[in-house]
Formats: sequence, C-alpha cells, structure tokens
Amino acid sequence: DAGVIQSPRHEVTEMGQEVTLRCKPISGHDYLFWYRQTMMRGLELLIYFNNNVPIDDSGMPEDRFSAKMPNASFSTLKIQPSEPRDSAVYFCASGQGAGQPQHFGDGTRLSIL
Amino acid sequence: DQQVKQNSPSLSVQEGRISILNCDYTNSMFDYFLWYKKYPAEGPTFLISISSIKDKNEDGRFTVFLNKSAKHLSLHIVPSQPGDSAVYFCAANSGSARQLTFGSGTQLTVLP
Repeated sequence: DAGVIQSPRHEVTEMGQEVTLRCKPISGHDYLFWYRQTMMRGLELLIYFNNNVPIDDSGMPEDRFSAKMPNASFSTLKIQPSEPRDSAVYFCASGQGAGQPQHFGDGTRLSIL
Repeated sequence: DQQVKQNSPSLSVQEGRISILNCDYTNSMFDYFLWYKKYPAEGPTFLISISSIKDKNEDGRFTVFLNKSAKHLSLHIVPSQPGDSAVYFCAANSGSARQLTFGSGTQLTVLP
C-alpha cells in the first residue's frame, strides 16, 4: 500500500523566494495534517483538513504560510516570502478520524539561506 | 505549556533486555494515546496506541500501559533489539480534536 507521499524531499532556496511543499495522502483518509519539526519546538501542528476543508489553522505561524487541499488526493503548503527561520522539516500526515492513528510521510527538509 | 512530556531525552539498553519509555501528560481531556518510532530522515511510524478506556495494550514485543490517575503512560519493548534504536514519540489527543499533541521524544539506543 502506498503511504503518504511528500515532495520534494529536500528544498534549498534563498530568502524571499516562494516555497511550495506537496502532499498526497493515503487513499480513503479524510483527514490531512501538516506538521513542522524544529529542534526548538519539536513536532508542532500547523493546520489540518477534514474532507478537504481547513478545520484548524491556529498553528500556522504567520500570514506568509498558506495551505490548500483542492481535492482528496493532494495538498500544498506554501511559504511566501520564505525566511531563514522557516528552515525545518515539514511533515504531512493523513488519518481516518477519531481513535485512528495518523500516518506520516517522510517529510520535506527545507533550508532557507 | 507542554501538555505531553517525555522527560528522558535518551535511553540506552542492552540487547535482549527490556526498554521502558515514559510519557506524562497534563490535559485530562486526552483520551487516545499513541507511540511513534522515528528513524533519521524518515517520518514518524505508528507503533501502538491505547484508548483511555483501557490500561494496557499489547502488540508483539510492544506493550503500552496507561495510568489515568497519574496521567502517565509507558511503552515496554521486550526483548529489545538493535533495530529498535530510534527516537520514540508519545502523542495524545482528545475525542473532539483530531490533531495530535506530541512529546519531545526519547532517543533509544539498543546496544548489541
């Protein structure tokens, strides 16, 4: 079975550039989550969707961050403009709701120079 | 305010012995708890979970114990194997919320 697929695996770009991270959830999962992992803050939730609708975006750090889920099989997390402090590993996860585990992709390691 | 705490950043255990990883939580609304294992350059992998209506759940070498009165859960790995060396995260959520709150992780090293 295909798991959660994220692309790219690594992204290095200069400050001020737009960055787009992509995620394909597991088929049949109706919840999709975006997390960020840093040394200082650990794994923190940025936003999650249910049936393609954003439910809670309280973890999105600033207006520079936006996320969309145009259909059940695709989501993007966009940072515009990017800053060095956005450097982190970004994970996407999907799940089936209450009492069910979330399944994670392998992440995108983002470096903003 | 950390709602899920893993106070031991690291743990070393001899192969074949028991590994015990601990996790404490403060939010009494949490009713579903999970353990994830993470290898470098990979995403967290789901290991085992427990609902608050239980106090123990077992899956092969892995057992999770939940003590609701103490707001404490633990993961036991018996016997430990070198391939178990990874970072282990505990996580929790409450019935009304779908997002997980993660602990800071414990690096387990199983020595051959």
